[in-house]
Amino acid sequence: GAVVSQHPSWVICKSGTSVKIECRSLDFQATTMFWYRQFPKQSLMLMATSNEGSKATYEQGVEKDKFLINHASLTLSTLTVTSAHPEDSSFYICSASQATETQYFGPGTRLLVL
Amino acid sequence: QKEVEQDPGPLSVPEGAIVSLNCTYSNSAFQYFMWYRQYSRKGPELLMYTYSSGNKEDGRFTAQVDKSSKYISLFIRDSQPSDSATYLCAMNPGAGNNRKLIWGLGTSLAVNP
Repeated sequence: GAVVSQHPSWVICKSGTSVKIECRSLDFQATTMFWYRQFPKQSLMLMATSNEGSKATYEQGVEKDKFLINHASLTLSTLTVTSAHPEDSSFYICSASQATETQYFGPGTRLLVL
Repeated sequence: QKEVEQDPGPLSVPEGAIVSLNCTYSNSAFQYFMWYRQYSRKGPELLMYTYSSGNKEDGRFTAQVDKSSKYISLFIRDSQPSDSATYLCAMNPGAGNNRKLIWGLGTSLAVNP
């Protein structure tokens, strides 16, 4: 149980384009979903928290107009990186939480912006 | 001072050794404590989840929480090469925090055959 999927697993795009990453909880309803980014050999950095049907809460320093988050249902959240630039290249990971304090993570999406 | 301190290692042990991983924290409001394992280029996987103080055992893994010392530990018995990964501690004060986890930096573990 508690399986979270992410799609795509990796993506290469040109600078200036937008990229959408999907996060799905496959066998449970996620009241809260989280988006993280992780640079090589560093810990997870929380970008935003989203509750189903509500606007996402962004961490300090994260541009909400650049990283658009939609949590339209209890099993799906999307992160759109708008007008991506090379400095946005990173490993993006989502997690989902049901009614407990634990988070279950997706496998991550590796983004490379050329 | 960071809210959660974790020695990044790297830690290298021979196969079969007992591994001890630790985190300290400063916020006495933390109630929920988790250990995650992360393999390279993968998402973290939940290993152990503990509420408040005490011990919890699951197979070769034992999690300990000492709230009086603000110290948590993860023990791995009979370590295997497949245990080689980064181990992250995470914690949460509970209600009112929107389930946001506070993370340690992670400890890199290598188990050598």
